[in-house]
Amino acid sequence: GESVGLHLPTLSVQEGDNSIINCAYSNSASDYFIWYKQESGKGPQFIIDIRSNMDKRQGQRVTVLLNKTVKHLSLQIAATQPGDSAVYFCAEHSSNTGKLIFGQGTTLQVKP
Amino acid sequence: DAMVIQNPRYQVTQFGKPVTLSCSQTLNHNVMYWYQQKSSQAPKLLFHYYDKDFNNEADTPDNFQSRRPNTSFCFLDIRSPGLGDAAMYLCATSTGFYNEQFFGPGTRLTVL
Repeated sequence: GESVGLHLPTLSVQEGDNSIINCAYSNSASDYFIWYKQESGKGPQFIIDIRSNMDKRQGQRVTVLLNKTVKHLSLQIAATQPGDSAVYFCAEHSSNTGKLIFGQGTTLQVKP
Repeated sequence: DAMVIQNPRYQVTQFGKPVTLSCSQTLNHNVMYWYQQKSSQAPKLLFHYYDKDFNNEADTPDNFQSRRPNTSFCFLDIRSPGLGDAAMYLCATSTGFYNEQFFGPGTRLTVL
């Protein structure tokens, strides 16, 4: 079946370091991917997205990389700040169903 | 500011007592979604509306119903809440299936 999963449940980084959060997906028909950030007690907040015809997209301090060959997605956060502490979800749009499927989430902890 | 609003933010109900959660949007988006999110888990899609067309996920219990009287509002009705229905309920909107979903802050439901 379809699944989107994250390699590590918790990532702890030092403030100022770069963070890399990884995600694996299994549906080769997925053509659109999103990273969401969810702070405690709040709804998911859009960070960045990428379509399957791209392999890299950059935003402000964030970069998403897509490797369709190995079905791998990553989120890179430059100069991680305490405000980046949250749970990060990758999600894929299935072209079969048109629905958003969330991965299990990775908790990012930023140490001062 | 255009946004997705959920009321109430916290809802307490008794076992078996019907409860309604509400969502409104000022984005004029075509699609509205309801997700259930339990502690330390990813959001799980319950159903969605594309305009007036309702789509129920196959594994959404019959206990959960939804109404969308107009573009702006969407309601989640839980007819007989059980202890297992305690969760965060998230509403989201998008212009289409292959576009960013905007999430509301969620309603935290407690079942006593």
